[in-house]
Amino acid sequence: EPEVTQTPSHQVTQMGQEVILRCVPISNHLYFYWYRQILGQKVEFLVSFYNNEISEKSEIFDDQFSVERPDGSNFTLKIRSTKLEDSAMYFCASSLTGRTNTGELFFGEGSRLTVL
Amino acid sequence: KQEVTQIPAALSVPEGENLVLNCSFTDSAIYNLQWFRQDPGKGLTSLLLIQSSQREQTSGRLNASLDKSSGRSTLYIAASQPGDSATYLCAVRPSWSSGANNLFFGTGTRLTVIP
Repeated sequence: EPEVTQTPSHQVTQMGQEVILRCVPISNHLYFYWYRQILGQKVEFLVSFYNNEISEKSEIFDDQFSVERPDGSNFTLKIRSTKLEDSAMYFCASSLTGRTNTGELFFGEGSRLTVL
Repeated sequence: KQEVTQIPAALSVPEGENLVLNCSFTDSAIYNLQWFRQDPGKGLTSLLLIQSSQREQTSGRLNASLDKSSGRSTLYIAASQPGDSATYLCAVRPSWSSGANNLFFGTGTRLTVIP
């Protein structure tokens, strides 16, 4: 069964360092998303991406964050200068349909980011 | 802003029991509602998706209902098994223009099925 894959599963970094989290969405999906879950809190939306551009972003997704689809398969989240409060589980998701359709989201296993 | 609440926060039941998990949301303008399962330290597994025009969806021992006008959904699990132990999350996809691409999640119900 097709699945969303994420790497790394766990990354530890020092505050101020740049981090790139990688995702391979389901191959025929067109919409891509990043969510995060701080320990003990709700899963929160960060950004959605369609047709090689950001279609929507939350207030969490500030200038420290960026997303990119560098080739036909990967979807990346970059945090330029990590802060302690960026420590969370980051989930990538994809869907076949999006905004005005009722597409089901499929999530990856997550990348746990720990900022020291 | 959409707020999603799940009650109870935790639930323990003996194996074989039927159970109901509750989800409520404050804004009825939604495209759909999705139920997920999350095992500790793991990702989110989609269980059921209910479109705003539907009243319920079934998959195996799971049945989800949606009452959009009252802002409620329930997930019914029949004949529970120890393998059902996990956190169950509901998420709504709002239909207002600025939020159609993102899901609003509840805090989840942690289910423990005791053998």
